[in-house]
Amino acid sequence: SAVISQKPSRDICQRGTSLTIQCQVDSQVTMMFWYRQQPGQSLTLIATANQGSEATYESGFVIDKFPISRPNLTFSTLTVSNMSPEDSSIYLCSVALSDPYEQYFGPGTRLTVT
Amino acid sequence: GQNIDQPTEMTATEGAIVQINCTYQTSGFNGLFWYQQHAGEAPTFLSYNVLDGLEEKGRFSSFLSRSKGYSYLLLKELQMKDSASYLCAVSDSNYQLIWGAGTKLIIKP
Repeated sequence: SAVISQKPSRDICQRGTSLTIQCQVDSQVTMMFWYRQQPGQSLTLIATANQGSEATYESGFVIDKFPISRPNLTFSTLTVSNMSPEDSSIYLCSVALSDPYEQYFGPGTRLTVT
Repeated sequence: GQNIDQPTEMTATEGAIVQINCTYQTSGFNGLFWYQQHAGEAPTFLSYNVLDGLEEKGRFSSFLSRSKGYSYLLLKELQMKDSASYLCAVSDSNYQLIWGAGTKLIIKP
């Protein structure tokens, strides 16, 4: 398994501002993912952030809105840019270890945009 | 398209047994995962099936039939702490997880 931490755990932000969420893993992992989860709903994948390549975004998510950095095998950041109330959600990072590639999740960042 | 179906909500009694079903249609298959998610917390890994049959792990068991595109999670001797959402996820041909909407399990005394 892997131990994953996220910062901040929660934040309340003003409309139009940006927030950067950090994800730190206790071991080196290649595959890292960023998800969004609306209250009472399942997980929606934002992007896959593998070290050494550009992040791959899912349909409906663009780099200008959700820029991602992956500078090394233990760390990643997700920025939520020009926020609106619709961006209020829980943001989760996860990592996939070797086969069978089960994913382990960070504790999440609860974002509220006012 | 890719689709995973599971019931939205189930209710069971403490000490009883409950079965949560999951059916799937995906492009490729590299295994099926079950996750548990308590309210306000991150999902935690419960089980993994890639071959047909039953995998048992303590009070929890998971079953897979690849030909039917079907899995279930069986919880025995239910405890109040088992109240949570249970997420079914399939690993597709790119090892990306396709997630079901989750089943909210309510345990009553």
